[in-house]
Amino acid sequence: EIVLTQSPATLSLSLGERATLSCRASQSVSSYLAWYQQKPGQAPRLLIYDASSRATGIPARFSGSGSGTDFTLTISSLEPEDFAVYYCQQRSNWPLTFGGGTKVEIK
Amino acid sequence: EVHLVESGGDLVQPGGSLRLSCAASGFTFSTFSMNWVRLPPGKGLEWVSYISGGSSTIQYADSVKGRFTISRDNAKSSLHLQMNSLRAEDTAVYYCARGVAAAPTNSDYWGQGTLVTVSS
Repeated sequence: EIVLTQSPATLSLSLGERATLSCRASQSVSSYLAWYQQKPGQAPRLLIYDASSRATGIPARFSGSGSGTDFTLTISSLEPEDFAVYYCQQRSNWPLTFGGGTKVEIK
Repeated sequence: EVHLVESGGDLVQPGGSLRLSCAASGFTFSTFSMNWVRLPPGKGLEWVSYISGGSSTIQYADSVKGRFTISRDNAKSSLHLQMNSLRAEDTAVYYCARGVAAAPTNSDYWGQGTLVTVSS
């Protein structure tokens, strides 16, 4: 099973700041990595798939990069609605796996 | 508009069974793969199961293999998860989610979730 390790566990930032979230895979997942956002009491929302493809309707301030084992989700300038938990997910191998999540909180 | 509505969540005793359903609308259900994903209380997301549009490919997480069965009825645009031999660690909000056309094992539309509680 491919283990995804997300860091940091919590990111404390102010409105307008840049957020950089990391996801590291225990073995190569090529570019088959996605990012999701989840707020309390809501369903997850797909942001990025295949490392860098933005999902439909996702603002341009969200971008993804990386390949192999190291991936990054960048939020260029934090908006109030961006404070949430972010998960990465790989689809390279069965079973599909998620990372443990990074909580982006208001500083 | 794509709409997914889960049902069937309940309080069940350890060792019991439950059947979750997901009613889909707003898209051609048979042409999309589907996933079940769960969120245990206080923990992160966990993928549970996958089924392709024609049911030719089915996969399970190791934690549920042999106990859960995924199925779909394309004529009724519905997805199901039969859950047997339930354990306390199966307690979670269960989401059904539609596969992305270009990346079927990622999910672009999600239901609101249904709560399964396994406790005596």
